[in-house]
Amino acid sequence: SQQGEEDPQALSIQEGENATMNCSYKTSINNLQWYRQNSGRGLVHLILIRSNEREKHSGRLRVTLDTSKKSSSLLITASRAADTASYFCATEETSGSRLTFGEGTQLTVNP
Amino acid sequence: GAGVSQTPSNKVTEKGKYVELRCDPISGHTALYWYRQSLGQGPEFLIYFQGTGAADDSGLPNDRFFAVRPEGSVSTLKIQRTERGDSAVYLCASSPLGLAYNEQFFGPGTRLTVL
Repeated sequence: SQQGEEDPQALSIQEGENATMNCSYKTSINNLQWYRQNSGRGLVHLILIRSNEREKHSGRLRVTLDTSKKSSSLLITASRAADTASYFCATEETSGSRLTFGEGTQLTVNP
Repeated sequence: GAGVSQTPSNKVTEKGKYVELRCDPISGHTALYWYRQSLGQGPEFLIYFQGTGAADDSGLPNDRFFAVRPEGSVSTLKIQRTERGDSAVYLCASSPLGLAYNEQFFGPGTRLTVL
């Protein structure tokens, strides 16, 4: 079953704007990860944030985690057309090492 | 090879047939995962191997699905008596033992279509 819920389901912005995607989950976690997927095929790992961390940066990516609200956000700054893809959050629960994915946000960046 | 590879990339079969999907993980990665992704959905966990043994197979939907990893490297996902509802992209991922966190490296997937 899907644990994460992402919103929005779809987001369309202009190149240069920032994109924010949110993720909520239900259980206790070890970490939360964000993945990107192009054209419905392989996923690429973007960033991981541990349960004891609140914010993490990687290049144009910024991730926040609020374990009290069981939510996370992914911010992509200065978006580019090449950022167009589906973005998924995935949680590693404390009970094991499987990842439980959300349903994803489809981001479209218009040139 | 540098990444996880999966074969075939596409598989079309008829209802009731048997199929095998293969995954070659990154060399040296001891953990291997299978996921299934339906159109417009996120990947759903199927099974996780640590070495040769299935550490968690609770995601397999029913007994028509089975996976093996006899030498702790290549894995095969086997589906018997395929049904139209089995149509999906089957993703394999691997991760190395010993990392403090569980980043998974995904293959390109096998798109299974059951007619």
